[in-house]
Amino acid sequence: EIVMTQSPATLSVSPGERASLSCRASQSVRSDLAWYQQKPGQAPRLLIYGASTRATGIPDRFSGSGSGTEFTLTISSLQSEDFAVYYCQQYNNWPPWTFGQGTKVEIK
Amino acid sequence: QVQLVESGGGVVQPGGSLRLSCVASGFSFYMYGIDWVRQAPGKGLEWVAFIRSDGSTEYYADSVKGRFTIARDNSKNTLSLQMNSLRVEDTAVYYCAKDRGSFGAYFDSWGQGTLVTVSS
Repeated sequence: EIVMTQSPATLSVSPGERASLSCRASQSVRSDLAWYQQKPGQAPRLLIYGASTRATGIPDRFSGSGSGTEFTLTISSLQSEDFAVYYCQQYNNWPPWTFGQGTKVEIK
Repeated sequence: QVQLVESGGGVVQPGGSLRLSCVASGFSFYMYGIDWVRQAPGKGLEWVAFIRSDGSTEYYADSVKGRFTIARDNSKNTLSLQMNSLRVEDTAVYYCAKDRGSFGAYFDSWGQGTLVTVSS
C-alpha cells in the first residue's frame, strides 16, 4: 500500500498571501496524483488531477506540481473561500486508492 | 450536471447491518467506475470499495473486506453498499464518488454523503 503524507497539518495564511502544501508518496506514483478541497459540512471537490491539470471550473490561482514522490499544491493568492482542508490522493497503484491525512488552511 | 445522492444512513448497533444507496444522474452511469469513500468524524478520507463500470470487478479496503458488498444496477443508475457485522469504527459519513473512467482513477464527482453511526 502506498502511504501518502501531507505537510504541514495546519497552515495559517493571511488573505492574499501564497500558500504551498506538500504531499509525499512512500513510492513513486508518477503523475497519478489528485488534490481535493473540502469545506466544513461539504463533500470533497476535485481540484487537480494528473499532478498539475486543473479540473473543470477551478480558478487558475490553484496550481499543482511534482512527480514521482514529491508534490505541491500552490494557491497563489488566498481568497476567503479557499480556507478549507486539502487532501492529496494517489491513483497509480491500487487497490487501495490512498489519501493523505489532509492539510487545513486557516486564516492567520 | 452530474448528481450523486446517497441515502440509507442511520444509527445501528454493533454487529448490525445497513444498506446504503446512491442514485446517479446527469451522466452515462454505465460507463464509469464508482466508489464508496468514508470519513470518520473529524478525520480524513478513507477509500472503502470500488466497482467497475460493468460490475465485473470489485475491490475492498482490508478494513471492510468480507463484511461489505458493493453492487450496481446500470438499468436504474444506482449503486449500493451492503454493510454487515458493523463495528464502532465504521462510524463515518459515506460518500459515493464517480471515477473519471471505467476502471479506477481519481474521483471527479462526489455525493453529499450519508452518516452511519454504529453505537450501542
